[in-house]
Amino acid sequence: QQQVKQSPQSLIVQKGGISIINCAYENTAFDYFPWYQQFPGKGPALLIAIRPDVSEKKEGRFTISFNKSAKQFSLHIMDSQPGDSATYFCAAGGTDSWGKLQFGAGTQVVVTP
Amino acid sequence: DGGITQSPKYLFRKEGQNVTLSCEQNLNHDAMYWYRQDPGQGLRLIYYSQIVNDFQKGDIAEGYSVSREKKESFPLTVTSAQKNPTAFYLCASRFQGTDTQYFGPGTRLTVL
Repeated sequence: QQQVKQSPQSLIVQKGGISIINCAYENTAFDYFPWYQQFPGKGPALLIAIRPDVSEKKEGRFTISFNKSAKQFSLHIMDSQPGDSATYFCAAGGTDSWGKLQFGAGTQVVVTP
Repeated sequence: DGGITQSPKYLFRKEGQNVTLSCEQNLNHDAMYWYRQDPGQGLRLIYYSQIVNDFQKGDIAEGYSVSREKKESFPLTVTSAQKNPTAFYLCASRFQGTDTQYFGPGTRLTVL
């Protein structure tokens, strides 16, 4: 069964708009939550990551919000640009898990001009 | 140029044949991972290795085998026992004591 559930499967946003992707997890041993960005035919690249000791982390136009009690975290892409069109994956891992990550199913984001 | 290389980029094989996918890194990373990516299913872990000559099964190891004879190299063999091998295969590596996994460009395997 999928340990990390990601939604929506796809979304379309206009240039300048906000993209929001949500993830939920079950395993309370997870303590590392990265987001990866993947362009077609390429390998994923780390976008931003958070640990449970903070509720929010911002890097440029990308923000992770984390709700430990609800076991949910989300990615917000502010001022979305056509170059942000890609597939985004959330993931979760634990310190004692040899660096293994459980990935969500991915969200395809399309930013229209 | 530091990074992770995977070869070949595209691979076509006939059903019933074993095939080996290459993964090399010159980042001096300790841990290496193999993932399989299918449309709508995210990335699923096949095998991982923390040190040379040691590796562990991931969530979907059946029909696959690996070796780790050198720190830089972690080849994956897709055997004829893998029932549905057509997929995009991704190799990743990580420096011990850090969180970030870095991914290679991937190999797209098509079994005809």
